[in-house]
Amino acid sequence: AQKVTQAQTEISVVEKEDVTLDCVYETRDTTYYLFWYKQPPSGELVFLIRRNSFDEQNEISGRYSWNFQKSTSSFNFTITASQVVDSAVYFCASYGGATNKLIFGTGTLLAVQP
Amino acid sequence: NAGVTQTPKFQVLKTGQSMTLQCAQDMNHEYMSWYRQDPGMGLRLIHYSVGAGITDQGEVPNGYNVSRSTTEDFPLRLLSAAPSQTSVYFCASSYGQGPTGELFFGEGSRLTVL
Repeated sequence: AQKVTQAQTEISVVEKEDVTLDCVYETRDTTYYLFWYKQPPSGELVFLIRRNSFDEQNEISGRYSWNFQKSTSSFNFTITASQVVDSAVYFCASYGGATNKLIFGTGTLLAVQP
Repeated sequence: NAGVTQTPKFQVLKTGQSMTLQCAQDMNHEYMSWYRQDPGMGLRLIHYSVGAGITDQGEVPNGYNVSRSTTEDFPLRLLSAAPSQTSVYFCASSYGQGPTGELFFGEGSRLTVL
Protein backbone atom coordinates (compact mmCIF):
# COMPACT_ATOMS: atom_id res chain seq x y z
CA ALA A 1 0.00 0.00 0.00
CA GLN A 2 1.05 3.57 -0.54
CA LYS A 3 1.57 5.59 2.63
CA VAL A 4 3.41 8.66 3.87
CA THR A 5 4.18 9.11 7.56
CA GLN A 6 5.11 12.40 9.16
CA ALA A 7 5.50 11.44 12.78
CA GLN A 8 6.21 14.97 14.00
CA THR A 9 2.88 16.68 14.47
CA GLU A 10 4.26 19.98 15.74
CA ILE A 11 7.74 21.41 16.11
CA SER A 12 8.63 24.67 17.82
CA VAL A 13 12.05 26.28 17.42
CA VAL A 14 13.62 29.62 18.07
CA GLU A 15 14.71 31.72 15.14
CA LYS A 16 18.13 30.79 13.70
CA GLU A 17 17.92 27.21 14.91
CA ASP A 18 18.20 24.39 12.38
CA VAL A 19 15.23 22.06 12.13
CA THR A 20 14.62 18.76 10.34
CA LEU A 21 11.20 17.54 9.30
CA ASP A 22 10.94 13.79 8.92
CA CYS A 23 9.12 11.91 6.19
CA VAL A 24 8.89 8.14 5.79
CA TYR A 25 7.17 6.64 2.77
CA GLU A 26 5.87 3.22 1.78
CA THR A 27 5.32 2.16 -1.81
CA ARG A 28 5.36 -0.94 -3.96
CA ASP A 29 6.29 1.02 -7.05
CA THR A 30 9.83 0.83 -8.36
CA THR A 31 9.38 4.23 -9.97
CA TYR A 32 7.93 6.87 -7.72
CA TYR A 33 8.14 10.55 -6.92
CA LEU A 34 8.42 12.34 -3.60
CA PHE A 35 7.38 15.90 -2.85
CA TRP A 36 7.35 18.56 -0.18
CA TYR A 37 4.72 21.27 -0.01
CA LYS A 38 4.42 24.25 2.33
CA GLN A 39 1.16 25.68 3.64
CA PRO A 40 1.69 29.05 5.34
CA PRO A 41 -0.94 30.52 7.68
CA SER A 42 -2.60 32.17 4.67
CA GLY A 43 -3.67 28.71 3.54
CA GLU A 44 -2.30 28.30 0.04
CA LEU A 45 -0.23 25.25 -0.88
CA VAL A 46 3.23 25.95 -2.22
CA PHE A 47 5.36 23.40 -4.06
CA LEU A 48 8.90 23.12 -2.70
CA ILE A 49 10.60 20.14 -4.32
CA ARG A 50 10.18 16.90 -6.25
CA ARG A 51 12.55 13.92 -6.34
CA ASN A 52 12.20 10.75 -8.35
CA SER A 53 13.17 7.31 -7.12
CA PHE A 54 16.21 7.09 -9.38
CA ASP A 55 17.88 10.18 -8.04
CA GLU A 56 19.13 9.90 -4.46
CA GLN A 57 21.29 12.98 -4.62
CA ASN A 58 20.67 15.41 -1.83
CA GLU A 59 19.34 18.80 -2.82
CA ILE A 60 20.10 22.21 -1.40
CA SER A 61 18.23 25.39 -2.18
CA GLY A 62 19.31 28.32 -0.08
CA ARG A 63 18.46 27.51 3.54
CA TYR A 64 16.49 24.42 2.51
CA SER A 65 17.97 20.97 1.98
CA TRP A 66 16.51 17.56 1.37
CA ASN A 67 17.96 14.14 2.20
CA PHE A 68 16.54 11.22 0.24
CA GLN A 69 17.53 7.74 1.43
CA LYS A 70 15.94 4.73 -0.25
CA SER A 71 17.54 2.38 2.27
CA THR A 72 15.42 3.86 5.05
CA SER A 73 12.51 5.01 2.83
CA SER A 74 12.96 8.54 4.07
CA PHE A 75 12.86 11.96 2.48
CA ASN A 76 13.74 14.44 5.21
CA PHE A 77 13.67 18.20 4.94
CA THR A 78 16.06 20.49 6.82
CA ILE A 79 15.74 24.23 7.26
CA THR A 80 18.99 25.89 8.27
CA ALA A 81 18.91 29.08 10.33
CA SER A 82 15.14 29.10 10.54
CA GLN A 83 13.19 32.32 10.23
CA VAL A 84 9.75 33.37 11.42
CA VAL A 85 8.55 33.30 7.80
CA ASP A 86 9.25 29.56 7.77
CA SER A 87 6.33 29.05 10.16
CA ALA A 88 3.88 26.85 8.26
CA VAL A 89 2.53 23.36 7.88
CA TYR A 90 4.81 21.21 5.76
CA PHE A 91 3.49 18.24 3.84
CA CYS A 92 5.42 15.35 2.38
CA ALA A 93 3.77 13.41 -0.44
CA SER A 94 4.45 10.45 -2.71
CA TYR A 95 3.22 9.45 -6.15
CA GLY A 96 3.48 6.04 -7.76
CA GLY A 97 2.47 5.17 -11.30
CA ALA A 98 0.75 1.94 -10.32
CA THR A 99 -1.93 3.70 -8.28
CA ASN A 100 -1.75 7.06 -10.08
CA LYS A 101 -2.46 8.79 -6.78
CA LEU A 102 -0.54 11.52 -5.02
CA ILE A 103 -0.78 10.69 -1.32
CA PHE A 104 0.04 13.20 1.38
CA GLY A 105 1.26 12.77 4.92
CA THR A 106 -0.60 14.38 7.80
CA GLY A 107 1.76 17.33 7.88
CA THR A 108 4.12 18.90 10.41
CA LEU A 109 3.29 22.28 11.91
CA LEU A 110 6.49 24.27 12.31
CA ALA A 111 6.41 27.29 14.59
CA VAL A 112 9.47 29.52 14.53
CA GLN A 113 9.56 31.86 17.50
CA PRO A 114 11.38 35.19 17.24
CA ASN B 1 -2.75 34.13 -15.09
CA ALA B 2 -5.72 32.51 -13.34
CA GLY B 3 -4.23 29.04 -12.76
CA VAL B 4 -6.70 26.92 -10.78
CA THR B 5 -9.91 28.68 -9.78
CA GLN B 6 -12.30 27.29 -7.19
CA THR B 7 -15.75 28.59 -6.35
CA PRO B 8 -17.28 29.24 -3.92
CA LYS B 9 -14.62 30.08 -1.33
CA PHE B 10 -17.05 29.66 1.55
CA GLN B 11 -20.32 27.75 1.82
CA VAL B 12 -22.65 26.75 4.62
CA LEU B 13 -25.06 23.89 4.01
CA LYS B 14 -27.68 22.09 6.01
CA THR B 15 -27.56 18.34 6.35
CA GLY B 16 -29.10 16.70 3.30
CA GLN B 17 -28.61 19.61 0.93
CA SER B 18 -26.68 19.18 -2.27
CA MET B 19 -24.11 21.43 -3.82
CA THR B 20 -21.34 21.56 -6.39
CA LEU B 21 -17.85 22.90 -5.86
CA GLN B 22 -16.55 24.28 -9.11
CA CYS B 23 -12.96 23.95 -10.30
CA ALA B 24 -11.49 25.32 -13.49
CA GLN B 25 -7.92 25.49 -14.75
CA ASP B 26 -6.55 27.38 -17.73
CA MET B 27 -3.21 25.57 -18.08
CA ASN B 28 -4.45 22.74 -20.32
CA HIS B 29 -3.56 20.20 -17.65
CA GLU B 30 -4.67 16.63 -18.17
CA TYR B 31 -4.56 15.64 -14.49
CA MET B 32 -7.00 17.15 -12.01
CA SER B 33 -7.87 16.13 -8.50
CA TRP B 34 -9.85 17.03 -5.40
CA TYR B 35 -8.52 16.86 -1.85
CA ARG B 36 -10.06 17.55 1.49
CA GLN B 37 -8.07 18.91 4.41
CA ASP B 38 -9.08 18.20 7.97
CA PRO B 39 -7.16 18.94 11.20
CA GLY B 40 -4.68 16.19 11.95
CA MET B 41 -5.57 14.30 8.77
CA GLY B 42 -3.50 16.13 6.20
CA LEU B 43 -4.73 16.23 2.62
CA ARG B 44 -6.79 13.24 1.51
CA LEU B 45 -7.52 12.49 -2.12
CA ILE B 46 -11.23 12.32 -2.96
CA HIS B 47 -11.33 11.81 -6.74
CA TYR B 48 -9.03 12.42 -9.64
CA SER B 49 -9.13 12.58 -13.43
CA VAL B 50 -6.48 11.92 -16.06
CA GLY B 51 -8.39 13.60 -18.86
CA ALA B 52 -11.82 14.51 -20.18
CA GLY B 53 -14.25 11.64 -19.67
CA ILE B 54 -11.96 9.74 -17.27
CA THR B 55 -12.33 9.83 -13.50
CA ASP B 56 -11.32 7.54 -10.67
CA GLN B 57 -11.67 7.26 -6.92
CA GLY B 58 -9.13 8.44 -4.42
CA GLU B 59 -8.76 7.60 -0.73
CA VAL B 60 -12.08 9.00 0.52
CA PRO B 61 -14.59 9.01 -2.38
CA ASN B 62 -17.80 8.17 -0.49
CA GLY B 63 -20.41 10.91 -0.57
CA TYR B 64 -18.82 12.70 -3.53
CA ASN B 65 -19.34 12.53 -7.29
CA VAL B 66 -17.22 14.00 -10.05
CA SER B 67 -17.33 14.30 -13.81
CA ARG B 68 -14.91 15.65 -16.38
CA SER B 69 -16.65 16.76 -19.55
CA THR B 70 -13.90 19.20 -20.58
CA THR B 71 -10.17 19.48 -19.97
CA GLU B 72 -10.70 22.74 -18.07
CA ASP B 73 -13.43 21.83 -15.56
CA PHE B 74 -13.64 19.28 -12.78
CA PRO B 75 -16.64 19.88 -10.50
CA LEU B 76 -17.13 18.07 -7.21
CA ARG B 77 -20.71 17.23 -6.21
CA LEU B 78 -22.07 16.53 -2.77
CA LEU B 79 -25.44 14.86 -3.31
CA SER B 80 -26.60 14.82 0.32
CA ALA B 81 -24.30 16.77 2.59
CA ALA B 82 -23.38 15.40 6.01
CA PRO B 83 -21.63 17.11 8.94
CA SER B 84 -18.65 14.78 8.35
CA GLN B 85 -18.11 16.59 5.06
CA THR B 86 -17.30 19.84 6.85
CA SER B 87 -13.81 20.53 5.57
CA VAL B 88 -11.59 22.64 3.39
CA TYR B 89 -11.55 21.39 -0.18
CA PHE B 90 -8.70 21.90 -2.61
CA CYS B 91 -8.76 21.36 -6.33
CA ALA B 92 -5.41 20.76 -8.03
CA SER B 93 -4.03 20.09 -11.48
CA SER B 94 -0.78 19.08 -13.13
CA TYR B 95 0.78 18.36 -16.49
CA GLY B 96 0.50 14.89 -17.93
CA GLN B 97 -1.74 12.06 -16.86
CA GLY B 98 -0.21 11.73 -13.44
CA PRO B 99 1.15 14.24 -10.90
CA THR B 100 4.84 13.49 -11.48
CA GLY B 101 5.51 17.20 -11.42
CA GLU B 102 4.28 20.17 -9.46
CA LEU B 103 0.65 20.08 -8.45
CA PHE B 104 -1.01 23.48 -8.85
CA PHE B 105 -3.63 24.13 -6.19
CA GLY B 106 -6.63 26.37 -6.02
CA GLU B 107 -7.13 28.63 -3.03
CA GLY B 108 -9.49 26.24 -1.31
CA SER B 109 -13.20 26.15 -0.50
CA ARG B 110 -14.31 26.07 3.13
CA LEU B 111 -17.51 24.08 3.53
CA THR B 112 -19.53 23.86 6.72
CA VAL B 113 -22.39 21.38 7.01
CA LEU B 114 -24.78 22.03 9.90
